[in-house]
Amino acid sequence: GAGVSQSPSNKVTEKGKDVELRCDPISGHTALYWYRQSLGQGLEFLIYFQGNSAPDKSGLPSDRFSAERTGGSVSTLTIQRTQQEDSAVYLCASSFPGNHEQYFGPGTRLTVT
Amino acid sequence: AQSVTQLDSQVPVFEEAPVELRCNYSSSVSVYLFWYVQYPNQGLQLLLKYLSGSTLVESINGFEAEFNKSQTSFHLRKPSVHISDTAEYFCAVSASGTYKYIFGTGTRLKVLA
Repeated sequence: GAGVSQSPSNKVTEKGKDVELRCDPISGHTALYWYRQSLGQGLEFLIYFQGNSAPDKSGLPSDRFSAERTGGSVSTLTIQRTQQEDSAVYLCASSFPGNHEQYFGPGTRLTVT
Repeated sequence: AQSVTQLDSQVPVFEEAPVELRCNYSSSVSVYLFWYVQYPNQGLQLLLKYLSGSTLVESINGFEAEFNKSQTSFHLRKPSVHISDTAEYFCAVSASGTYKYIFGTGTRLKVLA
Protein backbone atom coordinates (compact mmCIF):
# COMPACT_ATOMS: atom_id res chain seq x y z
CA GLY A 1 0.00 0.00 0.00
CA ALA A 2 0.95 3.65 -0.18
CA GLY A 3 3.25 5.04 2.44
CA VAL A 4 3.13 8.37 4.21
CA SER A 5 3.15 11.20 1.71
CA GLN A 6 4.10 14.80 2.25
CA SER A 7 3.76 17.89 0.13
CA PRO A 8 5.42 19.94 -1.07
CA SER A 9 8.76 18.14 -1.16
CA ASN A 10 10.57 21.47 -1.21
CA LYS A 11 9.42 24.92 -0.18
CA VAL A 12 11.36 28.16 -0.40
CA THR A 13 9.76 31.14 1.27
CA GLU A 14 10.69 34.64 2.30
CA LYS A 15 11.15 35.55 5.90
CA GLY A 16 7.88 36.69 7.41
CA LYS A 17 5.63 34.67 5.13
CA ASP A 18 3.31 31.90 6.33
CA VAL A 19 3.71 28.33 5.06
CA GLU A 20 1.57 25.21 5.18
CA LEU A 21 2.99 21.72 5.02
CA ARG A 22 0.76 18.73 4.34
CA CYS A 23 0.91 15.13 5.48
CA ASP A 24 -1.18 12.18 4.28
CA PRO A 25 -0.74 9.24 6.67
CA ILE A 26 -1.03 5.58 5.81
CA SER A 27 -4.65 4.51 5.61
CA GLY A 28 -5.83 3.14 8.95
CA HIS A 29 -3.11 4.83 10.96
CA THR A 30 -4.85 6.93 13.54
CA ALA A 31 -1.68 8.21 15.16
CA LEU A 32 0.20 10.99 13.38
CA TYR A 33 3.42 12.77 14.35
CA TRP A 34 5.38 15.76 13.15
CA TYR A 35 9.14 16.05 13.63
CA ARG A 36 11.74 18.56 12.52
CA GLN A 37 15.19 17.64 11.30
CA SER A 38 17.66 20.50 11.29
CA LEU A 39 21.41 20.95 11.38
CA GLY A 40 22.67 21.24 14.90
CA GLN A 41 19.35 20.14 16.43
CA GLY A 42 18.94 16.65 15.07
CA LEU A 43 15.42 15.26 14.98
CA GLU A 44 12.94 17.02 17.25
CA PHE A 45 9.42 15.98 18.13
CA LEU A 46 6.86 18.69 17.39
CA ILE A 47 3.32 17.38 17.81
CA TYR A 48 1.35 14.12 18.08
CA PHE A 49 -2.26 13.38 17.15
CA GLN A 50 -4.11 10.26 18.26
CA GLY A 51 -7.65 9.80 17.08
CA ASN A 52 -10.02 12.34 18.59
CA SER A 53 -7.88 12.97 21.65
CA ALA A 54 -6.35 16.37 22.31
CA PRO A 55 -3.00 16.55 20.52
CA ASP A 56 0.29 16.53 22.39
CA LYS A 57 1.76 19.91 21.39
CA SER A 58 4.63 19.82 23.83
CA GLY A 59 7.30 19.96 21.12
CA LEU A 60 6.10 23.03 19.22
CA PRO A 61 8.93 25.59 19.51
CA SER A 62 6.76 28.72 19.52
CA ASP A 63 3.21 29.94 19.04
CA ARG A 64 4.04 30.60 15.38
CA PHE A 65 3.73 26.85 14.88
CA SER A 66 0.37 25.11 14.77
CA ALA A 67 -1.05 21.92 13.33
CA GLU A 68 -4.42 20.46 12.68
CA ARG A 69 -5.75 17.14 11.57
CA THR A 70 -9.02 17.05 9.69
CA GLY A 71 -11.25 14.02 9.64
CA GLY A 72 -8.69 11.96 11.48
CA SER A 73 -6.54 11.70 8.38
CA VAL A 74 -4.70 14.52 6.60
CA SER A 75 -2.68 16.90 8.74
CA THR A 76 -1.39 20.39 8.03
CA LEU A 77 1.51 22.01 9.86
CA THR A 78 1.39 25.81 9.64
CA ILE A 79 4.28 28.11 10.40
CA GLN A 80 3.38 31.78 10.63
CA ARG A 81 5.79 34.64 10.08
CA THR A 82 8.61 32.29 9.15
CA GLN A 83 12.12 32.95 10.42
CA GLN A 84 15.44 31.74 9.03
CA GLU A 85 15.86 29.39 11.96
CA ASP A 86 12.70 27.57 10.78
CA SER A 87 14.69 26.22 7.82
CA ALA A 88 14.72 22.45 8.23
CA VAL A 89 13.25 19.23 6.92
CA TYR A 90 9.80 18.63 8.40
CA LEU A 91 8.96 14.96 8.75
CA CYS A 92 5.59 13.37 9.25
CA ALA A 93 5.06 9.85 10.59
CA SER A 94 2.05 7.69 11.30
CA SER A 95 1.31 4.48 13.15
CA PHE A 96 -1.50 2.18 14.16
CA PRO A 97 -3.00 3.01 17.57
CA GLY A 98 -1.03 1.44 20.36
CA ASN A 99 1.79 0.50 18.01
CA HIS A 100 5.21 1.92 18.71
CA GLU A 101 6.45 1.52 15.15
CA GLN A 102 6.24 4.77 13.22
CA TYR A 103 6.37 5.04 9.44
CA PHE A 104 7.95 8.19 8.12
CA GLY A 105 7.22 10.23 5.04
CA PRO A 106 9.95 11.65 2.78
CA GLY A 107 9.77 15.07 4.41
CA THR A 108 9.35 18.65 3.26
CA ARG A 109 12.52 20.70 3.00
CA LEU A 110 11.73 24.26 4.05
CA THR A 111 14.14 27.04 3.24
CA VAL A 112 13.46 30.51 4.60
CA THR A 113 15.41 33.24 2.81
CA ALA B 1 12.14 13.15 30.66
CA GLN B 2 14.10 10.95 28.32
CA SER B 3 17.26 11.65 26.40
CA VAL B 4 19.38 9.78 23.89
CA THR B 5 23.10 10.14 23.29
CA GLN B 6 24.90 9.03 20.18
CA LEU B 7 28.48 9.95 20.92
CA ASP B 8 29.87 9.23 17.46
CA SER B 9 28.77 11.72 14.84
CA GLN B 10 30.72 9.95 12.09
CA VAL B 11 32.10 6.44 11.80
CA PRO B 12 34.29 5.48 8.82
CA VAL B 13 34.89 1.77 8.37
CA PHE B 14 36.27 -0.40 5.62
CA GLU B 15 34.03 -2.78 3.73
CA GLU B 16 33.67 -6.22 5.37
CA ALA B 17 34.91 -4.89 8.71
CA PRO B 18 32.71 -5.01 11.82
CA VAL B 19 31.06 -1.88 13.17
CA GLU B 20 29.40 -0.76 16.36
CA LEU B 21 27.30 2.41 16.59
CA ARG B 22 26.77 3.46 20.16
CA CYS B 23 23.53 4.60 21.75
CA ASN B 24 22.93 5.43 25.38
CA TYR B 25 19.71 6.67 26.88
CA SER B 26 18.44 8.04 30.14
CA SER B 27 14.95 7.63 31.51
CA SER B 28 13.23 7.33 34.86
CA VAL B 29 10.61 4.99 33.39
CA SER B 30 10.79 1.92 31.21
CA VAL B 31 11.37 2.58 27.54
CA TYR B 32 11.12 1.16 24.08
CA LEU B 33 14.15 1.51 21.83
CA PHE B 34 14.56 1.86 18.09
CA TRP B 35 17.17 2.23 15.40
CA TYR B 36 16.20 4.04 12.22
CA VAL B 37 18.32 4.35 9.08
CA GLN B 38 18.28 7.21 6.60
CA TYR B 39 19.94 6.49 3.25
CA PRO B 40 21.12 9.47 1.21
CA ASN B 41 18.17 11.51 -0.06
CA GLN B 42 15.65 9.11 1.45
CA GLY B 43 13.30 9.07 4.42
CA LEU B 44 13.72 7.34 7.75
CA GLN B 45 13.23 3.58 7.79
CA LEU B 46 12.89 1.39 10.85
CA LEU B 47 15.88 -0.91 11.17
CA LEU B 48 15.03 -2.71 14.40
CA LYS B 49 13.22 -2.23 17.68
CA TYR B 50 13.19 -3.46 21.25
CA LEU B 51 9.79 -3.51 22.94
CA SER B 52 10.06 -6.45 25.34
CA GLY B 53 11.31 -10.01 25.56
CA SER B 54 14.70 -11.00 24.22
CA THR B 55 17.21 -8.23 24.71
CA LEU B 56 18.96 -9.09 21.44
CA VAL B 57 17.08 -7.96 18.35
CA GLU B 58 18.06 -8.45 14.75
CA SER B 59 17.23 -6.89 11.41
CA ILE B 60 16.85 -8.65 8.09
CA ASN B 61 20.04 -7.13 6.69
CA GLY B 62 22.46 -8.39 9.33
CA PHE B 63 22.34 -5.64 11.94
CA GLU B 64 21.67 -6.45 15.56
CA ALA B 65 21.28 -4.46 18.76
CA GLU B 66 21.25 -5.47 22.39
CA PHE B 67 19.25 -3.77 25.09
CA ASN B 68 21.39 -3.45 28.20
CA LYS B 69 19.30 -2.05 31.02
CA SER B 70 22.12 -1.80 33.54
CA GLN B 71 24.26 0.21 31.14
CA THR B 72 21.25 2.01 29.61
CA SER B 73 22.56 1.20 26.16
CA PHE B 74 21.23 -0.06 22.85
CA HIS B 75 24.31 -0.31 20.64
CA LEU B 76 23.94 -1.30 17.00
CA ARG B 77 26.37 -3.82 15.53
CA LYS B 78 27.09 -5.54 12.27
CA PRO B 79 29.87 -8.12 11.87
CA SER B 80 30.63 -7.25 8.25
CA VAL B 81 29.49 -4.06 6.55
CA HIS B 82 28.83 -3.37 2.87
CA ILE B 83 29.17 -0.24 0.84
CA SER B 84 25.37 -0.10 0.72
CA ASP B 85 25.23 0.33 4.50
CA THR B 86 26.52 3.88 4.08
CA ALA B 87 23.80 5.97 5.69
CA GLU B 88 22.89 7.94 8.78
CA TYR B 89 21.66 5.92 11.73
CA PHE B 90 19.39 7.31 14.43
CA CYS B 91 18.69 5.81 17.81
CA ALA B 92 15.33 6.69 19.37
CA VAL B 93 13.56 6.09 22.66
CA SER B 94 9.89 6.11 23.50
CA ALA B 95 8.83 6.09 27.12
CA SER B 96 6.36 3.53 28.31
CA GLY B 97 2.91 5.10 28.17
CA THR B 98 3.83 7.54 25.41
CA TYR B 99 4.40 7.20 21.70
CA LYS B 100 6.52 10.14 20.69
CA TYR B 101 10.15 9.46 19.93
CA ILE B 102 13.14 11.21 21.37
CA PHE B 103 15.95 10.87 18.85
CA GLY B 104 19.69 10.93 19.18
CA THR B 105 21.67 13.27 16.95
CA GLY B 106 22.55 10.49 14.53
CA THR B 107 25.72 8.71 13.42
CA ARG B 108 26.93 8.89 9.84
CA LEU B 109 28.31 5.52 8.84
CA LYS B 110 30.62 5.69 5.84
CA VAL B 111 31.76 2.38 4.43
CA LEU B 112 35.00 2.61 2.47
CA ALA B 113 36.06 0.32 -0.35
